[in-house]
Amino acid sequence: EVQLVESGGGLVQPGRSLRLSCAASGFTFDDYAMHWVRQAPGKGLEWVSGISWNSGSIGYADSVKGRFTISRDNAKNSLYLQMNSLRAEDTALYYCAKIGGTGGLWGNFDYWGQGTLVTVSS
Amino acid sequence: DIQMTQSPSSLSASVGDRVTITCQASQDISNYLNWYQQKPGKAPKLLIYDASNLETGVPSRFSGSGSGTDFTFTISSLQPEDIATYYCQQYDNLPSFGQGTRLEIK
Repeated sequence: EVQLVESGGGLVQPGRSLRLSCAASGFTFDDYAMHWVRQAPGKGLEWVSGISWNSGSIGYADSVKGRFTISRDNAKNSLYLQMNSLRAEDTALYYCAKIGGTGGLWGNFDYWGQGTLVTVSS
Repeated sequence: DIQMTQSPSSLSASVGDRVTITCQASQDISNYLNWYQQKPGKAPKLLIYDASNLETGVPSRFSGSGSGTDFTFTISSLQPEDIATYYCQQYDNLPSFGQGTRLEIK
């Protein structure tokens, strides 16, 4: 059974940093691209960042480019999101999502974690 | 960036009704379009991928069609458990989602 478990969320002041983690199990992690998608309270879904199976291709939404860094450790079956210079508008539930189909960075998100909540407030 | 315009933003229908949601892309995205269902307090669930392919285990009352810029998602006979918010998502380049359609029972 595929499982994605996010952690690392919490309350942080504007301008500070936070690192999210996603622990994956139930599939061959290093065969698939992985992504972060966020959802502000009461709002819709927003894609944040994605990373290919070998970290060779990476993409970011304009809203986080230059502040967030995605990475993965295939030996640990883990995905990360380093978030710097956090802003109030980054407040959201952050989901880790697996790409359906091997090889490509883009596609459908066939499995999702339950999310970790990041609140940016003074 | 590709903008996805989803309509309507909310919809009220009766059990057994046929329900249709549309999604329009700001440029040609071929069939790089997926549909998700999100129930309150839950993560999104993939229903349709590549515009018209039903994800494994998803009931056949759900379907999708379209290509290029115009796409349609249909529930052939609405069931009480279909109450949720539905999103389209394109992946022609950087992924983006429609703003969502909240579906309620009349």
